[in-house]
Amino acid sequence: DAGITQSPRHKVTETGTPVTLRCHQTENHRYMYWYRQDPGHGLRLIHYSYGVKDTDKGEVSDGYSVSRSKTEDFLLTLESATSSQTSVYFCAISETSRGGAVYNEQFFGPGTRLTVL
Amino acid sequence: QQPVQSPQAVILREGEDAVINCSSSKALYSVHWYRQKHGEAPVFLMILLKGGEQKGHEKISASFNEKKQQSSLYLTASQLSYSGTYFCGTDLSGSRLTFGEGTQLTVNP
Repeated sequence: DAGITQSPRHKVTETGTPVTLRCHQTENHRYMYWYRQDPGHGLRLIHYSYGVKDTDKGEVSDGYSVSRSKTEDFLLTLESATSSQTSVYFCAISETSRGGAVYNEQFFGPGTRLTVL
Repeated sequence: QQPVQSPQAVILREGEDAVINCSSSKALYSVHWYRQKHGEAPVFLMILLKGGEQKGHEKISASFNEKKQQSSLYLTASQLSYSGTYFCGTDLSGSRLTFGEGTQLTVNP
């Protein structure tokens, strides 16, 4: 199994509080991704990173920010959590693309279940 | 542009076959397939690239019609362990995937 961990695994917080989720990898993969998963929506990309300090927005980035200061860590921050951000959050990692395509599989972390009251 | 998967759900008996389809309205670099069991993380099954190259599970087959931007996942002689939700992920840009809503597969004894 790919070495990828997420912390915390479960979190309950209140509306308006800041929340930071951490993704840590030991595979030295270049790409890292944050997804949220909600019933009926599948996996939706929030932000991703293609290198240290190199990040880009996904399809549902509003209300979220990310940082990557080291290859192994990718942080997702909810500046002021809202109830609509209650979800399961997955981090994924991947090696570099090849020939202009996402050539390599993504390995997913175990997920973080976040509840915003 | 989220890809469209069909069917949304399918129920099989052990040993039966199933086909899951994934279609996109835009040109694709590649198509990925993942399976997720309840309460677990998605797990990689297969990648299909433009030009016919494939990577993935030996016991699962798939096709990619580049002209129609469609992919199909073929599950033959299904086993109980095949149960789960199947997601296709489409690569429009070469650096990220957009996933479909998933197909829930249930295999009964």
